[in-house]
Amino acid sequence: AQSVTQPDIHITVSEGASLELRCNYSYGATPYLFWYVQSPGQGLQLLLKYFSGDTLVQGIKGFEAEFKRSQSSFNLRKPSVHWSDAAEYFCAVGTTDSWGKLQFGAGTQVVVTP
Amino acid sequence: EAGVAQSPRYKIIEKRQSVAFWCNPISGHATLYWYQQILGQGPKLLIQFQNNGVVDDSQLPKDRFSAERLKGVDSTLKIQPAKLEDSAVYLCASSPGTGAYEQYFGPGTRLTVT
Repeated sequence: AQSVTQPDIHITVSEGASLELRCNYSYGATPYLFWYVQSPGQGLQLLLKYFSGDTLVQGIKGFEAEFKRSQSSFNLRKPSVHWSDAAEYFCAVGTTDSWGKLQFGAGTQVVVTP
Repeated sequence: EAGVAQSPRYKIIEKRQSVAFWCNPISGHATLYWYQQILGQGPKLLIQFQNNGVVDDSQLPKDRFSAERLKGVDSTLKIQPAKLEDSAVYLCASSPGTGAYEQYFGPGTRLTVT
């Protein structure tokens, strides 16, 4: 069965520290992958996406993610976290035969401490 | 470019009442999605439209939920009658087509059923 797993429900990080959020997927077809961020009371905003090509992708707000096919992972990273990065982060996966349909992970809540 | 618009932003109803949500996608976007996001979970696709035709409604509880996209632009999602478990945020998203495109999300409608 197709699945998207975000193993960490909640992460607390100090401002200025690095952040890594994990995403693993299980799909038979070639995936394309997204990371979205959701602030309280807001819709989802796209941080970055991977369709093909270079497996290290850069996004907005200083985020990057690396696609590792051998590990079925697409982890999100940021070298230095700002207080405004506190939010919920969702990994989403689609495939070339899914007609644009995305499956989302359960999300990781990020708390930033001073 | 205007984003995806949704209304209302908040709605409180009693169980067994009916409710309707409206979505206006980004101009020119052929594909429109309705998602249900229960607290603490990732968005779950309810229905996907391509222009004014339904691509996927396999997760839509058709005994109580209905959706339409007249003229291939605006869309309405209706719940009748509502149950307590329908309390969630209803997100609308749009994309240029059904391929490997990012989805653009509206701010959502938070529904509380009492």
